[in-house]
Amino acid sequence: DSGVTQTPKHLITATGQRVTLRCSPRSGDLSVYWYQQSLDQGLQFLIQYYNGEERAKGNILERFSAQQFPDLHSELNLSSLELGDSALYFCASSVLAGGPLEQFFGPGTRLTVL
Amino acid sequence: ILNVEQSPQSLHVQEGDSTNFTCSFPSSNFYALHWYRWETAKSPEALFVMTLNGDEKKKGRISATLNTKEGYSYLYIKGSQPEDSATYLCAFMSYGGSQGNLIFGKGTKLSVKP
Repeated sequence: DSGVTQTPKHLITATGQRVTLRCSPRSGDLSVYWYQQSLDQGLQFLIQYYNGEERAKGNILERFSAQQFPDLHSELNLSSLELGDSALYFCASSVLAGGPLEQFFGPGTRLTVL
Repeated sequence: ILNVEQSPQSLHVQEGDSTNFTCSFPSSNFYALHWYRWETAKSPEALFVMTLNGDEKKKGRISATLNTKEGYSYLYIKGSQPEDSATYLCAFMSYGGSQGNLIFGKGTKLSVKP
């Protein structure tokens, strides 16, 4: 158990809908990262937050947004969902924003868009 | 575009065999190289974070080496056991604006037969 929690574990929804994925980092970790794992793709970095501020952006679509709240939990919002958004979404956390620190991964949310 | 390549894509070995796999990454702007172990239905778990050229790290039967000048890292497993069956991911971290976020390879899936 990494100490990172993600809810829900599974989510099934329809095209065009909007969903929110939630992540609580390990106690003491200030930085949160979101990754997407699609079929046949490696883990793709989406976005990073550090202490409430956006720190880095990766391959995140405009239909997706995220935020980190004062209690350091983070939410990833996915809207106007398409079939291709079906994937495993991981959240990870680390103590600081940069530095060669290991990231601790949550169990993931499996999103299925029908 | 930064690319991280892992080979082989999959590997089947017998219990007791020793094995190794490769991770290739850009040799410029190197900051860190991470190795993760990802068991089915679980979340990726950090094995090593390597930063220095020539670095060697060891954890039990698993070890890794790093060559930042030529852009590769090897992961070795000595005397493979069935519980070593997992996907092994490497991830590259570079200096610059995206520092802190990881670029993952697609992984090497290891199956160890008893």
